[in-house]
Amino acid sequence: GENVEQHPSTLSVQEGDSAVIKCTYSDSASNYFPWYKQELGKRPQLIIDIRSNVGEKKDQRIAVTLNKTAKHFSLHITETQPEDSAVYFCAATPTGTASKLTFGTGTRLQVTL
Amino acid sequence: NAGVTQTPKFQVLKTGQSMTLQCAQDMNHEYMSWYRQDPGMGLRLIHYSVGAGITDQGEVPNGYNVSRSTTEDFPLRLLSAAPSQTSVYFCASSYSGAGSYEQYFGPGTRLTVT
Repeated sequence: GENVEQHPSTLSVQEGDSAVIKCTYSDSASNYFPWYKQELGKRPQLIIDIRSNVGEKKDQRIAVTLNKTAKHFSLHITETQPEDSAVYFCAATPTGTASKLTFGTGTRLQVTL
Repeated sequence: NAGVTQTPKFQVLKTGQSMTLQCAQDMNHEYMSWYRQDPGMGLRLIHYSVGAGITDQGEVPNGYNVSRSTTEDFPLRLLSAAPSQTSVYFCASSYSGAGSYEQYFGPGTRLTVT
């Protein structure tokens, strides 16, 4: 089955700096890669996703890049703000099985003033 | 739309007791899943369903049963609770059509087994 590794486990940045979180996956059949944000005590919520037919996708301050050859994908947050503080999870799945995501172990991002 | 709802929000069980975690969605999603979340381990798939009457095991299915008699409901049953099942449980649903794969999560059930 799929195995997703995520690094770093914790990340502290100053407000306004950029943050990068990296994930690798093992199953070459995976072609859907979402990123979820989870605030303390809340449910995970999708912030951005990418499919294997594109290499990069942006949504305002958030971007995701995908390298299918190397089997890794990354989340980039620019101009970080205190409200970006949360736990971020990457995940992977073949799109034919969108109900069975394999998640990374999460990155706790802290944005300090 | 209420989205994905879960009950109860909190539950304490004694070892050996059984219970059912309820999950319902009103978005007419075909796909539904159950995950457990433990500190430092992300979310792990317990069971999933691609439609009414169809279920399959995920990564950590032992000790749990599911059924899917309707599109809306996907209950998770703990047969004989064990302390190792102390966790936060999330139900999720997603559309099965091409072009949209987002999973919508419920608010979670925090379960403690003593």
